Amino acid sequence: GAGVSQSPRYKVAKRGQDVALRCDPISGHVSLFWYQQALGQGPEFLTYFQNEAQLDKSGLPSDRFFAERPEGSVSTLKIQRTQQEDSAVYLCASGRLAGIYNEQFFGPGTRLTVL
Amino acid sequence: GESVGLHLPTLSVQEGDNSIINCAYSNSASDYFIWYKQESGKGPQFIIDIRSNMDKRQGQRVTVLLNKTVKHLSLQIAATQPGDSAVYFCAENNAYGGSQGNLIFGKGTKLSVKP
Repeated sequence: GAGVSQSPRYKVAKRGQDVALRCDPISGHVSLFWYQQALGQGPEFLTYFQNEAQLDKSGLPSDRFFAERPEGSVSTLKIQRTQQEDSAVYLCASGRLAGIYNEQFFGPGTRLTVL
Repeated sequence: GESVGLHLPTLSVQEGDNSIINCAYSNSASDYFIWYKQESGKGPQFIIDIRSNMDKRQGQRVTVLLNKTVKHLSLQIAATQPGDSAVYFCAENNAYGGSQGNLIFGKGTKLSVKP
């Protein structure tokens, strides 16, 4: 079956532009996670959804970052007024069950470059 | 795709040898640990997990060892193959502040297998 997909795979934005990154989780998966991965580093948690409810957004670095999952399936991560420090790979993962005590399936990521 | 392995500790092994990748975790209250494999241009892939009530768990060609006394985790790969070449991350659940969806990833180790 299909895995987690993300689009676009690559995004180049000028500083100050808004961007929207899409995640299509595995169908039926309850949990959805967003991570930010800087070059040469491990992924860093951004936010977590259980179905449509955003239960943890403690990792969002600023109020320029916003995530939603309105129908409990597709999720969008929006970054407003992008800055150069936002350049990273943004990873989405989904899990069959709620919470972290089950396998997370990662998508390929969206590489964001802010010029 | 661009490597995620820049500036990472590197372990170089001969094909067929066993590999041991080590990780120190941060919080003695963490109770769930996972090893991920990440190939260049791809998202992390789940390898094996372990709960804190265990000190060893085996999978196919992989073994995870947990030493809670010194907060140390290791991944052993038997008969390492060229396809095992990747960056390996350990992750622990975030036991701070009651977070429900938060994994903390380590910095990663790049495994290079020589044929």
